[in-house]
Amino acid sequence: GAVVSQHPSWVICKSGTSVKIECRSLDFQATTMFWYRQFPKQSLMLMATSNEGSKATYEQGVEKDKFLINHASLTLSTLTVTSAHPEDSSFYICSARGRWNTEAFFGQGTRLTVV
Amino acid sequence: GQQVMQIPQYQHVQEGEDFTTYCNSSTTLSNIQWYKQRPGGHPVFLIQLVKSGEVKKQKRLTFQFGEAKKNSSLHITATQTTDVGTYFCAGLKAGSYQLTFGKGTKLSVIP
Repeated sequence: GAVVSQHPSWVICKSGTSVKIECRSLDFQATTMFWYRQFPKQSLMLMATSNEGSKATYEQGVEKDKFLINHASLTLSTLTVTSAHPEDSSFYICSARGRWNTEAFFGQGTRLTVV
Repeated sequence: GQQVMQIPQYQHVQEGEDFTTYCNSSTTLSNIQWYKQRPGGHPVFLIQLVKSGEVKKQKRLTFQFGEAKKNSSLHITATQTTDVGTYFCAGLKAGSYQLTFGKGTKLSVIP
């Protein structure tokens, strides 16, 4: 299957700082990218969807000013957690779909810990 | 909005027993997909079902898509310890680009 690389795999940051997570599709053009948050022992919660050439669409309850998403190119999307707080600690996963696929390919996830 | 219900939430089975997880959508789907997430890992695509009533097999795994294209099931025959993980279904609504995931079924296999 297609490869999606997510970086970093884990990060620890101080409360009040910002953290950027990158998601790259390595062997296909990702026309749509999804960002999810996963709490321990729970399902994937969709945070936002970004399509090629348009701004990200955020799910209800997700603060767009706090979770900045940039779909910079067809192979790169970034999620920036601004002014992070301990309650933002979670596992964040991106997934990407190409123009001709309907299945999603997931990155490895990023474990964020805010102290 | 679209909802995808998945049951059961947890399932503990003895190795060798069968396992089934069920998925039900509030709306008609254009396709349904299944993913497996191993402990500590990320979801990995298993299969996609598109046609009404479709049945697909991957070794001991059997996937079904309902006639109305609103429900699906994953059945594992004779579970093994390597089957441990959380199985997610994800539905793609007709005319939409958005996948909606079920909450997942966490499978534990007792050796």
